[in-house]
Amino acid sequence: DARVTQTPRHKVTEMGQEVTMRCQPILGHNTVFWYRQTMMQGLELLAYFRNRAPLDDSGMPKDRFSAEMPDATLATLKIQPSEPRDSAVYFCASGLGTKNQPQHFGDGTRLSIL
Amino acid sequence: EDKVVQSPLSLVVHEGDTVTLNCSYEVTNFRSLLWYKQEKKAPTFLFMLTSSGIEKKSGRLSSILDKKELFSILNITATQTGDSAVYLCALGGSNYKLTFGKGTLLTVNP
Repeated sequence: DARVTQTPRHKVTEMGQEVTMRCQPILGHNTVFWYRQTMMQGLELLAYFRNRAPLDDSGMPKDRFSAEMPDATLATLKIQPSEPRDSAVYFCASGLGTKNQPQHFGDGTRLSIL
Repeated sequence: EDKVVQSPLSLVVHEGDTVTLNCSYEVTNFRSLLWYKQEKKAPTFLFMLTSSGIEKKSGRLSSILDKKELFSILNITATQTGDSAVYLCALGGSNYKLTFGKGTLLTVNP
């Protein structure tokens, strides 16, 4: 089965450090989404791309978060500097970007900022 | 702003029971309504609904959408312990974005 692959699966680091999370979308999918999941807020959309172009990153704190797609097989989400309130599970999802096609999720990166 | 409200927030049943999970929504430009199941890791896709009144079915799970009253339900019959999970409802609005509800935590006891 084709899957969205995320790395690392877990990350523990100290406040102020840079964190980079990576995502390999399903081959052939042209939309990529980054979500953050916490107990309080649930799943929130941070940013998404279509054909590698950023379409919307309004859900992302711009001062410390950045998202890129250097090529069609790699999406990155970076936090610099990280803060304890960034602790969450970060999910990447990909889709075909056409009407009536669902997004498929990776297993997430569990991030803990101490 | 698109909005999704799920109820109940949590539910505990015994194996063999039938459950109904609810999802109501507000949306500017409706494209679709999706249901996902989340166990320990990734949300996994269950159903996508776009038309009112047409039931989608997969084994013991089924779902239906009412676009006039702006809600959807997910039914699970003859529940099993493996159905224990968080069930997420998501609204597909403009630009392929999904807006998720907070989920319903279903616990099925043996």
